[in-house]
Amino acid sequence: EDKVVQSPLSLVVHEGDTVTLNCSYEVTNFRSLLWYKQEKKAPTFLFMLTSSGIEKKSGRLSSILDKKELFSILNITATQTGDSAIYLCAVDSNSGYALNFGKGTSLLVTP
Amino acid sequence: GAVVSQHPSRVICKSGTSVKIECRSLDFQATTMFWYRQFPKKSLMLMATSNEGSKATYEQGVEKDKFLINHASLTLSTLTVTSAHPEDSSFYICSASYREVTGELFFGEGSRLTVL
Repeated sequence: EDKVVQSPLSLVVHEGDTVTLNCSYEVTNFRSLLWYKQEKKAPTFLFMLTSSGIEKKSGRLSSILDKKELFSILNITATQTGDSAIYLCAVDSNSGYALNFGKGTSLLVTP
Repeated sequence: GAVVSQHPSRVICKSGTSVKIECRSLDFQATTMFWYRQFPKKSLMLMATSNEGSKATYEQGVEKDKFLINHASLTLSTLTVTSAHPEDSSFYICSASYREVTGELFFGEGSRLTVL
């Protein structure tokens, strides 16, 4: 059975801290791993990772995939209160169209 | 990016009534759309896969007679919650992708259903 596990489940940090969110997976026919940020409504897309070792970066956010060890991390540097959200990791396993979501990491950044 | 529109964004109904939620892909054709349910502070739970022109595929534990899905065209899927109960109150989100280009899913804005 395909599995996507995120850790930690929740995290509280101070503004300016750096955080690392983890996502490990066990799926057949891996195609890609995606990170989403969810605030009040629907998730918004952050990154899609398909190749190991290639860092994707967008502003203070970056992510990397390790297909050998079957995990990905999402880094947020110099956190701001606006980064407070649930961060979802999802894997596209090519065994169907739907993504397999992890339970999410709830991040709270305090002033 | 592609746009998926969901309507209504909020709906309140009485127990026993039915509620329809629409999901439209505005600038692309989506042969497949997905319906998710989300409880407070929880991740997305896939309810069903909606295929244009054929019956939806429901996930285990999801009642197909209660959550009716119709994918009438390449740009529209609807979810009807029949005989709604308070425990059906939740946040329902649809998504779609044009898989030939990317595995990325595009999400609707979500619909918050409250059943009184």
